[in-house]
Amino acid sequence: DTAVSQTPKYLVTQMGNDKSIKCEQNLGHDTMYWYKQDSKKFLKIMFSYNNKELIINETVPNRFSPKSPDKAHLNLHINSLELGDSAVYFCASSSGTANYGYTFGSGTRLTVV
Amino acid sequence: GENVEQHPSTLSVQEGDSAVIKCTYSDSASNYFPWYKQELGKGPQLIIDIRSNVGEKKDQRIAVTLNKTAKHFSLHITETQPEDSAVYFCAASINFNKFYFGSGTKLNVKP
Repeated sequence: DTAVSQTPKYLVTQMGNDKSIKCEQNLGHDTMYWYKQDSKKFLKIMFSYNNKELIINETVPNRFSPKSPDKAHLNLHINSLELGDSAVYFCASSSGTANYGYTFGSGTRLTVV
Repeated sequence: GENVEQHPSTLSVQEGDSAVIKCTYSDSASNYFPWYKQELGKGPQLIIDIRSNVGEKKDQRIAVTLNKTAKHFSLHITETQPEDSAVYFCAASINFNKFYFGSGTKLNVKP
């Protein structure tokens, strides 16, 4: 069973469209994250939710809106997509304070054309 | 906020040789330092970690050292194998909250 699963794996869309990426974890973790990995492989945190509550919100355009319906799911909705949004987006989860690193999903490669 | 620098950006070694990747961090409050391996088309995977109350940790061919005074930590891979080829990331965090990642090291192990 996949611990952290993201869908879709690939997403190609035109500028100006709205798209969503879904993430689910079956590890029982309390905390989930969205990271963006740019073309130079740099990983930067975007958001973090703990038990459905937003706890980290980095300097991310308002066009990005995370939603956590329950602690096992964290979705990312992006409005009015721009060329610069092209990247690989990773979902991750952790047990928060319980002494361990992240478990990452396999990523969603978003290409805006 | 925390700033993590990682070197080198690329590293090429012969199979069987050792590889060392180094990271420095800026925030002395950071107390947890994981290392991740990212293979092509996959998400980063935790391979080893170290906490600030420990100076060294080893797991088979992989070891991590931490120098809190100098604020740097290193990943050591001995007897490298072609399957070790990947991108490696270091990270630092305070109390397992937000992780700050280094810029990654692409390791190429030549057979």
